[in-house]
Amino acid sequence: QKEVEQDPGPLSVPEGAIVSLNCTYSNSAFQYFMWYRQYSRKGPELLMYTYSSGNKEDGRFTAQVDKSSKYISLFIRDSQPSDSATYLCATYSGNTPLVFGKGTRLSVIA
Amino acid sequence: DTGVSQDPRHKITKRGQNVTFRCDPISEHNRLYWYRQTLGQGPEFLTYFQNEAQLEKSRLLSDRFSAERPKGSFSTLEIQRTEQGDSAMYLCASSLPSGGLAGDAVWFFGPGTRLTVL
Repeated sequence: QKEVEQDPGPLSVPEGAIVSLNCTYSNSAFQYFMWYRQYSRKGPELLMYTYSSGNKEDGRFTAQVDKSSKYISLFIRDSQPSDSATYLCATYSGNTPLVFGKGTRLSVIA
Repeated sequence: DTGVSQDPRHKITKRGQNVTFRCDPISEHNRLYWYRQTLGQGPEFLTYFQNEAQLEKSRLLSDRFSAERPKGSFSTLEIQRTEQGDSAMYLCASSLPSGGLAGDAVWFFGPGTRLTVL
């Protein structure tokens, strides 16, 4: 079992839809949870991060972490064509390297 | 530009040749990481430095790979006797750990070096 599991998609939604992206992880020591956005042939760009459980909101983006179920979510409201990218979840304990999911490829259709 | 920079952005080489990549982290960041990403996969950890000390190496880092960070500033990743399986995007990231606070989560990645081995 990989440490972080993420459905690779692809996921295609119409413009304006609410997008839900999810990951599960196996190591209960993980404390930091991040979402990166990666456009084709570019480096990952940090979108949001949370420490421990809870929600964090930034504009149209909301990150949720449920440590009891080891579940990480990213919600995108009012999705735009410019949101089309691969979304990578990542996590670590603070003393270990960052561990990534495979990434979910999202297409928002105008 | 105050982000992480990598050079070159693209490298095409023939099998058996040696290649070297450079990463310049954000200037105040003392941790520097190398990752490798193949098509359709998330980045995979290779190695990391705290200042000039190389603290951890992945099993992915075969003896053909070597990384350095002289004086704790920029870093180089060298691959000797390249193989076609080395074709990938090589990513560098940096961070400034702040003693267990939420700021530890802030890792910044560079644009990557795309390596193609023919």
